[in-house]
Amino acid sequence: DAKTTQPPSMDCAEGRAANLPCNHSTISGNEYVYWYRQIHSQGPQYIIHGLKNNETNEMASLIITEDRKSSTLILPHATLRDTAVYYCIVRGDTNAGKSTFGDGTTLTVKP
Amino acid sequence: GAVVSQHPSRVICKSGTSVKIECRSLDFQATTMFWYRQFPKQSLMLMATSNEGSKATYEQGVEKDKFLINHASLTLSTLTVTSAHPEDSSFYICSARAMGQGFYGYTFGSGTRLTVV
Repeated sequence: DAKTTQPPSMDCAEGRAANLPCNHSTISGNEYVYWYRQIHSQGPQYIIHGLKNNETNEMASLIITEDRKSSTLILPHATLRDTAVYYCIVRGDTNAGKSTFGDGTTLTVKP
Repeated sequence: GAVVSQHPSRVICKSGTSVKIECRSLDFQATTMFWYRQFPKQSLMLMATSNEGSKATYEQGVEKDKFLINHASLTLSTLTVTSAHPEDSSFYICSARAMGQGFYGYTFGSGTRLTVV
């Protein structure tokens, strides 16, 4: 799996958009970008994934740069319950499910 | 949606005893499950890949004789920490993918907090 780099922590005001960046400059052509989050003392929760096109679901949007070397997870209207550690993972389908978790970004949503 | 259940959620055991953690896929079948370990303020570290009907594959540095994995059915994998010691105290998490689902079908359990005293 390609290595990812994320800022260790970020703050966001409640109701504002949270933009979480991830660098994955060594990503290969068949690798997807996945985002998970982990609320304290719980298992990780899948958020979104993409290959090269931007993606949106009910939880978030994923913006992937054209060269695919970086991406941004956007939580459009952050709430206090979005406070969590957010992990960006790059992975192909081989060894599917075998994910390498980096240190992630601790997002703190403040009132 | 796909649900993975882990049991127990918390366990305290004495040093030298063994502890079994169960990981069940409730509404889907999973030929492969994964076991992770997470120490306080650290990220998840993959321990092993559990394959139904065959031996588990362990990551480098993980003792297979200490962390016994059994994946006897398509809905159940167990992790047994044998002769537990305080340094084994950690948060253990499993994940599984439903057969036939796409890449996003990986679901994680809620984790088991093991404390060895």
